[in-house]
Amino acid sequence: ETGVTQSPTHLIKTRGQQVTLRCSSQSGHNTVSWYQQALGQGPQFIFQYYREEENGRGNFPPRFSGLQFPNYSSELNVNALELDDSALYLCASRSPLDEQFFGPGTRLTVL
Amino acid sequence: AQSVTQPDIHITVSEGASLELRCNYSYGATPYLFWYVQSPGQGLQLLLKYFSGDTLVQGIKGFEAEFKRSQSSFNLRKPSVHWSDAAEYFCAVPGNAGGTSYGKLTFGQGTILTVHP
Repeated sequence: ETGVTQSPTHLIKTRGQQVTLRCSSQSGHNTVSWYQQALGQGPQFIFQYYREEENGRGNFPPRFSGLQFPNYSSELNVNALELDDSALYLCASRSPLDEQFFGPGTRLTVL
Repeated sequence: AQSVTQPDIHITVSEGASLELRCNYSYGATPYLFWYVQSPGQGLQLLLKYFSGDTLVQGIKGFEAEFKRSQSSFNLRKPSVHWSDAAEYFCAVPGNAGGTSYGKLTFGQGTILTVHP
């Protein structure tokens, strides 16, 4: 049990729609990262938020955006969904010891 | 750029046998290194980490890993595998993300472990 929760567990959307995924980090962890894990692949870094501001981004287009709130919750928003966006989306909160603790993920299916 | 390579996509062992999963890293300085385990449909659980100091690192669930700078390796080991160890294992190295160090993890492709009874 990492203390990191994500919702929803599963989600089905159609191409072109928008989706919001949610994450609740551990108390005291000011940094949250989001990852995309396609089937059979390792997780790929999307972006990182620190004290409510994005301060690092991987190779993902601007239609992937996020928010972080003062209560240690965060959101990942994806606009104009594409079939290739189907994946497991993981959020991770970073401890002061530089360990990242992952939530169980949200499985997104785009039809 | 920092990267890790896991040469073995799939490994099968018998229950009670020893296990070694390979990880090779590419990093400009002394790296932080992590091993994570992922059960089917689940998130990732941190098994162990290497930051500095003793090159043999003990983790949870009876796992250990040894950092070998000369070989650029950080292999994961377990002396006796249990059926519940069947999962996918990922090696990871952090990297800079927008000026904040160690915020981004770069993962290997993963090694799927199958345990035969």
